[in-house]
Amino acid sequence: QSVLTQPPSASGTPGQRVTISCSGSTSNIGSNTVNWYQQLPGTAPRLLIYNNNQRPSGVPDRFSGSKSGTSASLAISGLQSEDEADYYCAAWSDTRSGPFVFGTGTQVTVL
Amino acid sequence: QITLKESGPTLVKPTQTLTLTCTFSGFSLTTNGVGVGWIRQSPGKTLEWLALIYWDDDMRYNPSLKSRLTITKDTSKNQVVLTMTHMDPVDTATYYCTHGLRREACSGGRCYYFDYWGQGTLVAVSS
Repeated sequence: QSVLTQPPSASGTPGQRVTISCSGSTSNIGSNTVNWYQQLPGTAPRLLIYNNNQRPSGVPDRFSGSKSGTSASLAISGLQSEDEADYYCAAWSDTRSGPFVFGTGTQVTVL
Repeated sequence: QITLKESGPTLVKPTQTLTLTCTFSGFSLTTNGVGVGWIRQSPGKTLEWLALIYWDDDMRYNPSLKSRLTITKDTSKNQVVLTMTHMDPVDTATYYCTHGLRREACSGGRCYYFDYWGQGTLVAVSS
């Protein structure tokens, strides 16, 4: 069971801006940084954002991340057909042994 | 170029022990700030972090599965092995091996993020 909550779906037309939310608590997002992953159909997840808003090399600047309190967001600007995928947020959790927890996932559809 | 590849059985019986091997290249698990982790994804797409072994031999486990998991490394072979005991049909999932990297200006086990993933290996648990 995921402890980070995301909307199950989001959609937009090409060129639009889409935002995905990730809601957590003081023990995870509130006290640790957030990562975002993109999973294209049939492939492994790919790191999109780490440390709340940092993009690894090779990730287009259309993708941006932010965090405020116990919530985080991923924005995709200039939506493209190849952005159709599942997106997951993730963060460490300050429970006794600190597991790394994932969000419930959001399926993005390009209309 | 960092690559990771998982190997192991595709089918195990309930109560058996699962052993998965991650063979990697492009980095060393003796390098300060590096780790290798295991994450699984259920058929329903839920992602669950399992374990992480660090460059300094420290290990961290998901508390809900800790009693069933063991993670070890063989730096001479560039391999990390995960064993999971008492397998059950609910453990049916795709198991991923991941490269963990400590972010800058941060110390401690929770400073790691997973930037490279293997292709995953599907493990079914059924009699």
